[in-house]
Amino acid sequence: DTGVSQDPRHKITKRGQNVTFRCDPISEHNRLYWYRQTLGQGPEFLTYFQNEAQLEKSRLLSDRFSAERPKGSFSTLEIQRTEQGDSAMYLCASSLDIGSYNEQFFGPGTRLTVL
Amino acid sequence: AQKVTQAQTEISVVEKEDVTLDCVYETRDTTYYLFWYKQPPSGELVFLIRRNSFDEQNEISGRYSWNFQKSTSSFNFTITASQVVDSAVYFCTHSGGSNYKLTFGKGTLLTVNP
Repeated sequence: DTGVSQDPRHKITKRGQNVTFRCDPISEHNRLYWYRQTLGQGPEFLTYFQNEAQLEKSRLLSDRFSAERPKGSFSTLEIQRTEQGDSAMYLCASSLDIGSYNEQFFGPGTRLTVL
Repeated sequence: AQKVTQAQTEISVVEKEDVTLDCVYETRDTTYYLFWYKQPPSGELVFLIRRNSFDEQNEISGRYSWNFQKSTSSFNFTITASQVVDSAVYFCTHSGGSNYKLTFGKGTLLTVNP
């Protein structure tokens, strides 16, 4: 399978715990995006990387959230001291930047439930 | 700032009916892209179509067709002869600027009944 993969697919945690999600983009895609989708809403942009550089962060990304993309390959999204409001589907997408827009391909998402 | 409005929260049709999903967008970008994505019950977003702001030609792909009208800032999506497998949430999406981040509408839940 050469699509975008995310791990884990589901995560249940208790409030106050830290969680980390992983995204593996399509090989050679240099852009990687994170979105968050809550129930009944469309996905909302969180942050994106061009290779290993994090170029933009949404105001939705509080100080408890951190994302990395070491070596410009896979990416991790960590949430510290989780809150019930963090419960959502976290989606990762990748694309190939060739100087003009190219489609973003989405992974299956990680569904986070904070108890 | 960009905004995408999908006024129809839910639509229910009977198989073989035609159905149109509405999308209205707001943008300050002079160059931008519009998309439709499908999200079936499995949850994975599936890309359907992209249009750029310079290309107002309508497009047809099988049972799917799209009507882009810049004058009314609309990008509507029609499914002809709907099938049960078309049941999903459909998102209209905008992208502009160098970061190409996507701004999604709230989605329209389409249910096609047999």
